[in-house]
Amino acid sequence: NAGVTQTPKFQVLKTGQSMTLQCAQDMNHEYMSWYRQDPGMGLRLIHYSVGAGITDQGEVPNGYNVSRSTTEDFPLRLLSAAPSQTSVYFCASRDPRDTQRNYGYTFGSGTRLTVV
Amino acid sequence: AQSVTQLGSHVSVSEGALVLLRCNYSSSVPPYLFWYVQYPNQGLQLLLKYTSAATLVKGINDFEAEFKKSETSFHLTKPSAHMSDAAEYFCAVINTGGFKTIFGAGTRLFVKA
Repeated sequence: NAGVTQTPKFQVLKTGQSMTLQCAQDMNHEYMSWYRQDPGMGLRLIHYSVGAGITDQGEVPNGYNVSRSTTEDFPLRLLSAAPSQTSVYFCASRDPRDTQRNYGYTFGSGTRLTVV
Repeated sequence: AQSVTQLGSHVSVSEGALVLLRCNYSSSVPPYLFWYVQYPNQGLQLLLKYTSAATLVKGINDFEAEFKKSETSFHLTKPSAHMSDAAEYFCAVINTGGFKTIFGAGTRLFVKA
């Protein structure tokens, strides 16, 4: 099925470790974003991309890096994991030309990350 | 800068009762507004959207929302709650032509039998 695929679904890291959360979409969407979801805080934008080779920071970018070498993939890298990065991470994509959805996102199913 | 405020982190209704989830927005330009729903252990799904056409917007599962510019509100309603509506609901705003979508803190809906 077409959509946004996130891997892994669950991950436990030790403080100081690094890792990459994978996100891939097969809908040829130009725009992709990473959000983190924490209780009582909704979704906060970490980084976003409006096309291959173009990325920018969101509300909470510190401690995270992204790259967009292809339209399909938008990995999120944690450079040195900290307990404050324990969260659920969502990748989302949208097509600005899609008049049916008009800027609405398609979300992945999330990655639940625990940093100990 | 755009922002979204959802009034009430938890709302509880009885099955068959009216559902009302409140959302107020702040935007310096005409906004695009959205409601998303999140079922347990899943990602968010688009419920409905307002994009400067009709002010009363209908979405899936009999949900609808009304854009009121004078009140800067975009409240979500459903005439009769079902048990399957129990989920978390997020209001979101994006500027016309903008790249960023800003989400509210969410409202968890409980439906009592």
